[in-house]
Amino acid sequence: KAGVTQTPRYLIKTRGQQVTLSCSPISGHRSVSWYQQTPGQGLQFLFEYFSETQRNKGNFPGRFSGRQFSNSRSEMNVSTLELGDSALYLCASSGTGLGVVETQYFGPGTRLLVL
Amino acid sequence: AQSVTQPDIHITVSEGASLELRCNYSYGATPYLFWYVQSPGQGLQLLLKYFSGDTLVQGIKGFEAEFKRSQSSFNLRKPSVHWSDAAEYFCAVGVRGNQFYFGTGTSLTVIP
Repeated sequence: KAGVTQTPRYLIKTRGQQVTLSCSPISGHRSVSWYQQTPGQGLQFLFEYFSETQRNKGNFPGRFSGRQFSNSRSEMNVSTLELGDSALYLCASSGTGLGVVETQYFGPGTRLLVL
Repeated sequence: AQSVTQPDIHITVSEGASLELRCNYSYGATPYLFWYVQSPGQGLQLLLKYFSGDTLVQGIKGFEAEFKRSQSSFNLRKPSVHWSDAAEYFCAVGVRGNQFYFGTGTSLTVIP
């Protein structure tokens, strides 16, 4: 099975712009989660989607949003970019999405640099 | 509140030596525990996981971890380290809603 794929892998934006990142989960997986990784804050949970619905959300401002499509693919959007949004954004997928906790499989990430 | 602590920011070991990476968690319910490894510029690869049952779990690449409820720990071990094991290691606890809390990571350097 192909793993989790994320596009693009690298992105450079300027402050005030917006950006959309894409994630394709492992085939058959229905839950997609997003994480932000920075040297200062480490890995932080952004949100989780299942069946096109956001089920869980971390402590991030409303500038961070996401969605999930009927084929389980997911996108996350960051509006009005700030310098502090520079990070590695990781997507993870898990199986049925029905378990209390399921193993998450991570993609390679999208490296976002905000200038 | 749930949290994960990895006390060692950086560890250096000689190739062929044994390794133990420490992880302590704080969570009120049954913990679902994971160890992931991350190479530079890459995503996270699952090494092993603990959901229930046998407290000693085996993973890939010769790694194992032991869950000790009394100590709230889930330490990762490997009897003989290889140069290719140099990477960043993350311990995580999964909570209801499929939300994972990660430790700050331990960077492993392997010297020949």
